Amino acid sequence: DAGVIQSPRHEVTEMGQEVTLRCKPISGHNSLFWYRQTMMRGLELLIYFNNNVPIDDSGMPEDRFSAKMPNASFSTLKIQPSEPRDSAVYFCASGDLAKNIQYFGAGTRLSVL
Amino acid sequence: SQQGEEDPQALSIQEGENATMNCSYKTSINNLQWYRQNSGRGLVHLILIRSNEREKHSGRLRVTLDTSKKSSSLLITASRAADTASYFCATVRIQGAQKLVFGQGTRLTINP
Repeated sequence: DAGVIQSPRHEVTEMGQEVTLRCKPISGHNSLFWYRQTMMRGLELLIYFNNNVPIDDSGMPEDRFSAKMPNASFSTLKIQPSEPRDSAVYFCASGDLAKNIQYFGAGTRLSVL
Repeated sequence: SQQGEEDPQALSIQEGENATMNCSYKTSINNLQWYRQNSGRGLVHLILIRSNEREKHSGRLRVTLDTSKKSSSLLITASRAADTASYFCATVRIQGAQKLVFGQGTRLTINP
């Protein structure tokens, strides 16, 4: 398996633009997680899905952030409008509900100018 | 707030020495996990220890868990340059909740 695949790897955009991050989880996994990592705040869980259903979105910073999982093999995290403080590395991870272990993608480094 | 707190924040040792990192947490847990992150990469799962276990080994890794003190330690024996990375502990608080709460990590540097 190719592991968790995220795209793009790097994104540079201007303040106010819409940003969409994409994630393909490992086939057969039934949970998916979106994290944000910064030097100041460390690794923060934004939202996670079980069987494509959002379970906990309490970490989503504000209404500008939204996440979807239309099927078991694809998820998006959207920021609209983006702001400079959204600059961070965004990770997607997938896992098996029964095993509790998460497998991370390589991340998307987002820079909002 | 972060559930896990790693200590030290940074550790630099010579190749071949043992490296010990500690993690403390605040609430009751179902299990505790350690992950490694190489620079510019995603996190990689290393080892999971359940709340009813006290010690676990995997290759050069040894993890201990003391639920009475709400703490865990990760020992890497005979360190190698390739072990240079950040190490994070993560806890699962409620069975079935799936949510991992990560600490701030320990930055480990192995000097050749």
